[in-house]
Amino acid sequence: SQELEQSPQSLIVQEGKNLTINCTSSKTLYGLYWYKQKYGEGLIFLMMLQKGGEEKSHEKITAKLDEKKQQSSLHITASQPSHAGIYLCGADGNTDKLIFGTGTRLQVFP
Amino acid sequence: DSGVTQTPKHLITATGQRVTLRCSPRSGDLSVYWYQQSLDQGLQFLIQYYNGEERAKGNILERFSAQQFPDLHSELNLSSLELGDSALYFCASSPSGGRGRETQYFGPGTRLLVL
Repeated sequence: SQELEQSPQSLIVQEGKNLTINCTSSKTLYGLYWYKQKYGEGLIFLMMLQKGGEEKSHEKITAKLDEKKQQSSLHITASQPSHAGIYLCGADGNTDKLIFGTGTRLQVFP
Repeated sequence: DSGVTQTPKHLITATGQRVTLRCSPRSGDLSVYWYQQSLDQGLQFLIQYYNGEERAKGNILERFSAQQFPDLHSELNLSSLELGDSALYFCASSPSGGRGRETQYFGPGTRLLVL
């Protein structure tokens, strides 16, 4: 079965700094989803990537899909306290259900 | 706000008991998915319903069951509860749940604590 590994597990950055979160799959990625979760709350959809080389941006968050490497990265530019939370990548493995990574906990301090 | 609603928000019960979690999908969405999030297992897919029919099953225990009603809301029934069932239970919905790529929108979750 497909597994997703996220790195780092935890990240503490100063406000204004850039950061990158990686998501690596054990199998071919057909669709890769990024979600953000505030502690103990629901998941907020950020972006979906479908094709190798695809790159999407929303405000200060950019996600890329490297199909060959079976990897996706999420980059936050000029981080703000509002970016704090848990970032989860999910893959559909060409089925309807989503397999999720273990999550990256991001803290941003002033 | 994703448009997916879940009730109750919190639930505290005892071992051996049975509870029902409820989910209303976004308006127009036909597919409902249930996920369990725990500290040791992470976020795991349990089951999917599409327009009233079970479509996919994941790591759902036999003590758990779900259904989707004609008005498309769904219920997840958890019985003979054990301490290890304590977790956040999420419902998500998508327009059709077909084989194409569809974004799943998540509800706020139900936090279950089994004592």
